[in-house]
Amino acid sequence: EAGVAQSPRYKIIEKRQSVAFWCNPISGHATLYWYQQILGQGPKLLIQFQNNGVVDDSQLPKDRFSAERLKGVDSTLKIQPAKLEDSAVYLCASSSYNPGTSADEQFFGPGTRLTVL
Amino acid sequence: RKEVEQDPGPFNVPEGATVAFNCTYSNSASQSFFWYRQDCRKEPKLLMSVYSSGNEDGRFTAQLNRASQYISLLIRDSKLSDSATYLCVVSSLGGFQKLVFGTGTRLLVSP
Repeated sequence: EAGVAQSPRYKIIEKRQSVAFWCNPISGHATLYWYQQILGQGPKLLIQFQNNGVVDDSQLPKDRFSAERLKGVDSTLKIQPAKLEDSAVYLCASSSYNPGTSADEQFFGPGTRLTVL
Repeated sequence: RKEVEQDPGPFNVPEGATVAFNCTYSNSASQSFFWYRQDCRKEPKLLMSVYSSGNEDGRFTAQLNRASQYISLLIRDSKLSDSATYLCVVSSLGGFQKLVFGTGTRLLVSP
């Protein structure tokens, strides 16, 4: 079974530039997550999709970050404009979680390492 | 106060040692609990779920104390390959599963 795919793996940009990350979840997984992991910290949830609908974006800095999952499969996360503090690894994860059931394992992609200069 | 707190370590232990990690969580509504493992520059992967009755998977034992809001992970007979960061994770079941990660505890096992 193929895992969660992400691209690019690495990105270096200057502050105020824009950047986009792509994620393709495991086939059949309805729930998709984007996390930000700053060096030395645990992953922090940015946004959670159930199919193509957003169910939690409370920690997404909406003035600069946006995400979409138009067809309920792959997803893109965009930062515009980037700040120095956005330097982090951006992890995409998916699960077959169904609301109302017990928690299900999340499978993570390899992440995109973003450096903002 | 952070929702999930862990000692960041690092814990330096020799091969064969037993090591224990602790974690506390602040949200009493948390329903599910996990330990994830993250190797250097890799993605997190589920190590094991944690149940109220305690559970064991080979050399790994996880315990949950809901009254104290405390989770533990015990690793017996440490191997070099156990060197990694161990992330304590809690989930609230308020309609949609949301995982909250601790900062992780780094383990270094030496020969």
